[in-house]
Amino acid sequence: QVQLVESGGGSVKPGESLRLSCAASGFTFSDYYMSWIRQAPGKGMEWLSSISTSGKTVFYADAVKGRFSISRDNTKNSLYLQMNSLRAEDTAVYYCARVMGTLVWGKGTTVTVSS
Amino acid sequence: EIVLTQFPDFQSVTPKEKVTITCRAGQNIGNNLHWYQQKPDQSPKLLIKYASQSISGVPSRFSGSGSGTDFTLTINSLEVEDAATYFCHQSSNLPAYTFGQGTKVEIK
Repeated sequence: QVQLVESGGGSVKPGESLRLSCAASGFTFSDYYMSWIRQAPGKGMEWLSSISTSGKTVFYADAVKGRFSISRDNTKNSLYLQMNSLRAEDTAVYYCARVMGTLVWGKGTTVTVSS
Repeated sequence: EIVLTQFPDFQSVTPKEKVTITCRAGQNIGNNLHWYQQKPDQSPKLLIKYASQSISGVPSRFSGSGSGTDFTLTINSLEVEDAATYFCHQSSNLPAYTFGQGTKVEIK
């Protein structure tokens, strides 16, 4: 069955960087757009970024544009999110999701940004 | 950005009661509205797609209705295992998905 497993979360200080990974299995990864979505403590879901099947087209929410970078490696069935210049307000659970109108979600990885 | 406003934010319900959750879109999104259930420390699970289409494996007590700007998720005869947060998601304005803020359903 479809499985998405995020990794790479952790605790960092403001201004530092993290790279999240998402390992996909159970479907043809290269056939699907993929997205990153986050949920801050006590808040609703927030879409961050999406990437086309080839990786050539990417989209970002204004909140992360210029700081975060999405990429994928279809040979490794993997999705990535490079997060730079992290801020306290980036503290959240980060999910990768397979996109086909509806979303199939991973279990999430927690990022904490605190001095 | 298409804003999704969900209400109520919280509902305390006894088992076997009917639950109704509303999601209102800031503009016409056709039927591009989906409902998810999220339990603590779990990833969201799809309940209803495209406003009213059922999902294989989801109990029949969950149903959806609506189109355009007003949508409803109904849980008929609530069960204890239905305690969770429910939220809506629009896929009309790609790729900028937006989500409702969530409705927490508690069992009395």
